[in-house]
Amino acid sequence: NAGVTQTPKFRILKIGQSMTLQCTQDMNHNYMYWYRQDPGMGLKLIYYSVGAGITDKGEVPNGYNVSRSTTEDFPLRLELAAPSQTSVYFCASRTPNRTGKNNQPQHFGDGTRLSIL
Amino acid sequence: GENVEQHPSTLSVQEGDSAVIKCTYSDSASNYFPWYKQELGKRPQLIIDIRSNVGEKKDQRIAVTLNKTAKHFSLHITETQPEDSAVYFCAASSDMGRRALTFGSGTRLQVQP
Repeated sequence: NAGVTQTPKFRILKIGQSMTLQCTQDMNHNYMYWYRQDPGMGLKLIYYSVGAGITDKGEVPNGYNVSRSTTEDFPLRLELAAPSQTSVYFCASRTPNRTGKNNQPQHFGDGTRLSIL
Repeated sequence: GENVEQHPSTLSVQEGDSAVIKCTYSDSASNYFPWYKQELGKRPQLIIDIRSNVGEKKDQRIAVTLNKTAKHFSLHITETQPEDSAVYFCAASSDMGRRALTFGSGTRLQVQP
């Protein structure tokens, strides 16, 4: 299994441009998450999905959109890039709870480093 | 929502010494507490986790303790080595709803050879 794969690894955008950060996982995980990590800080939840067709906002959703048309893919869309969105973006996934095995760990991708100038 | 505070923000120890990082959480519904190690430019890597039905868990030189009453948990690293140098994050989540992690702000650990 490749695990969680994010593309691109790096990107520079101009203010006002749009782009989509790709995330795919091959572990058949229901739960998927997008986090952002600002320099010297912990990760903050942007959006999450508990399964195909279901998405919801996290702590810092403004300026972003997501979709989940398949179990494998969970793209994150920036419509009008702003300097405040300069960050490292991590996608993660986890399997649902199983009998006797609650709180399964999250698996992270390698991240996308995004700079907006 | 959940709020996780982590201390200290930086920690410098001599090789071979122990290191302790502490976190507190606010939501009594949280029942899962992982610790992640993140090297520069890399993804967070899970190093140990603990569930609320357990008070302590150990894996070789790493241990985590949990005090549910006081809502705090700690990471203990013994016999530190230079390769332990990294940023460590604690996190908390509950077994309900989105099951997403709320992270602490991180501790930069520097192990001096």
